[in-house]
Amino acid sequence: AQSVAQPEDQVNVAEGNPLTVKCTYSVSGNPYLFWYVQYPNRGLQFLLKYITGDNLVKGSYGFEAEFNKSQTSFHLKKPSALVSDSALYFCAVRESRGSTLGRLYFGRGTQLTVWP
Amino acid sequence: DTAVSQTPKYLVTQMGNDKSIKCEQNLGHDTMYWYKQDSKKFLKIMFSYNNKELIINETVPNRFSPKSPDKAHLNLHINSLELGDSAVYFCASSQRETGLNEKLFFGSGTQLSVL
Repeated sequence: AQSVAQPEDQVNVAEGNPLTVKCTYSVSGNPYLFWYVQYPNRGLQFLLKYITGDNLVKGSYGFEAEFNKSQTSFHLKKPSALVSDSALYFCAVRESRGSTLGRLYFGRGTQLTVWP
Repeated sequence: DTAVSQTPKYLVTQMGNDKSIKCEQNLGHDTMYWYKQDSKKFLKIMFSYNNKELIINETVPNRFSPKSPDKAHLNLHINSLELGDSAVYFCASSQRETGLNEKLFFGSGTQLSVL
């Protein structure tokens, strides 16, 4: 069965410090992994995706994510956090085979707060 | 010029009423979705339509009925509203449903409050 886990409900970090938002996944085929961000009272916005190739993926707003197949993880990172990065972050996975082909599953979200 | 627009933004209604939420996308996408986000921010797919055809119908009460008059529109009608229906409902679209690397474009959500 496919699943996505975001083990931290909240991540707090000081502005200028590096940030990491964790995500692990479980799928039966090859994973197609995504990060989305939700600002208050807004819909989700696409940040980045991993399909194949380089394990380090760069996305919008200076974010990047590292795909680790052995650890089945896809952690979101940023070298230097900004207050404006404060938002709710969702990890998501699509399966590449089976009856749920292409269906997108979201994690429960991690609230990132960056304080000045 | 909003890509995915849904109306209304807020909907407050009494138990037992019937209400609709409308969604339109101007991206030329083939696939549209309805997601429900509960009070704990958990996001779950409800329905998916590809070119007006129902593709995904998760375990959703049959009080919820999606309708897609054309591929640019996907409306959600809810009969006999219950307290537990209170949530934020998001419409989304993507180029293709089975495109594995397709990203979704979301509307800004409809906050439904059932009193």
